[in-house]
This record gives sequence, structure tokens and C-alpha cells, in this order.
Amino acid sequence: NAGVTQTPKFRVLKTGQSMTLLCAQDMNHEYMYWYRQDPGMGLRLIHYSVGEGTTAKGEVPDGYNVSRLKKQNFLLGLESAAPSQTSVYFCASYSLAGGSYNEQFFGPGTRLTVL
Amino acid sequence: AQSVTQLGSHVSVSEGALVLLRCNYSSSVPPYLFWYVQYPNQGLQLLLKYTTGATLVKGINGFEAEFKKSETSFHLTKPSAHMSDAAEYFCAVSDRGGSYIPTFGRGTSLIVHP
Repeated sequence: NAGVTQTPKFRVLKTGQSMTLLCAQDMNHEYMYWYRQDPGMGLRLIHYSVGEGTTAKGEVPDGYNVSRLKKQNFLLGLESAAPSQTSVYFCASYSLAGGSYNEQFFGPGTRLTVL
Repeated sequence: AQSVTQLGSHVSVSEGALVLLRCNYSSSVPPYLFWYVQYPNQGLQLLLKYTTGATLVKGINGFEAEFKKSETSFHLTKPSAHMSDAAEYFCAVSDRGGSYIPTFGRGTSLIVHP
């Protein structure tokens, strides 16, 4: 199993450009999440999905859109990038199987710089 | 709403010394509790978790944590630090209501000196 993978690993954008970050998981997990990590701020939830075709807003959703057309993929889009979106982005997945509360599985991260 | 407080954004120890990373939560009902570790340029991975039962939980790499309901705490300890323990550590909580949306602390960077 590859687990959770993220594409790309690094990206530099100019202000106003758009891009899509791809997250893929091969564990058949129901839930998927997008976080951003900034120094001293920990992990902040951007959007999440509880299943194919569903998405919901997290703590910091402004400026981002998401889609989950397939269970294994969760896309994060930036329509018009701003310097404030410079961050490291992590995708995570979670399985409802097992009965007790399971842990999240995280991807390796995407480091995005917006100039 | 629940919250998580990690005391100290940085903790510095000498190799071989005790590691103590503090985590306190605010929740009306004891939540599920987690510690994750993040090594440089990597994603987070689970160290240990408390869901039910024994309040002293053992994790990977010699770490353990104790759930203390009266203190609303879930501090992480390791008797003897190793250079390879240098990393960012995150405490997280999730309520028992089935939302599966954890709340993370701001993280503590563990620095290990030779």
C-alpha cells in the first residue's frame, strides 16, 4: 500500500494564479481532510469529506475549494492564490472500520509558496 | 467546543534525559486523545492514542502518555531522550460523538542536545 500520497511535493505560484493539489489514498478510507500547517499555528483544517461526493468546510476554508468525485481522491483548489496561502498543506484520511476510534493517516505534504 | 493546549512551543533536553511534553484539553466529556510525531519534511504519524481502558498508554519508540481525567491532561513522556527523537510533536483530541474531526494543538518542537 502506498498509503496517502500528495502531488506535487513543491510548488511556487505567483499571486493570482490557480492550482490544484491532489491527494490520493489506497486504503478505502471514508474520510479525507485537507490541513495547512504554519509556524506556531499547528494544523488547521481547511475542508474535509465524509465520503465520495460530499465535502464540508473546516476552520479556514476561505480561498479554497475541494472536490471528491472518487472515494480515493480529494482535490484542493486555489482559484486565485494569495501570499497568505503560502504554507505546507497536508492531506489525511480516516477509516470508520474497526469499532474504536482510529487514527488519521497523513500524506508527506505539499510545500506551496505564493510570491 | 473542545480545545487543546500544548505548553511550550519548544522543549530542549540533553540526550539521555527525561522527555516531558505537556498537553491539556478542554472538553465537557473526556475525548479520544492522540499524540502524533512529525519528523522534518514529513507528514504526521501516530505515536500513541487513548480511547478507553488503561489510562497509561504505551506507544512507539519508548514513548508513553497518561490520561488524567481530574487534570484534563495527556502528557507525553520518555525516560531517556535519543537524538533521533528530535521532531515536532502534536497532541490531538476528538470528541466521542462520532464527528471524527480532531482538534490539534499548536505543536511542541523537541530539541535534543548531545
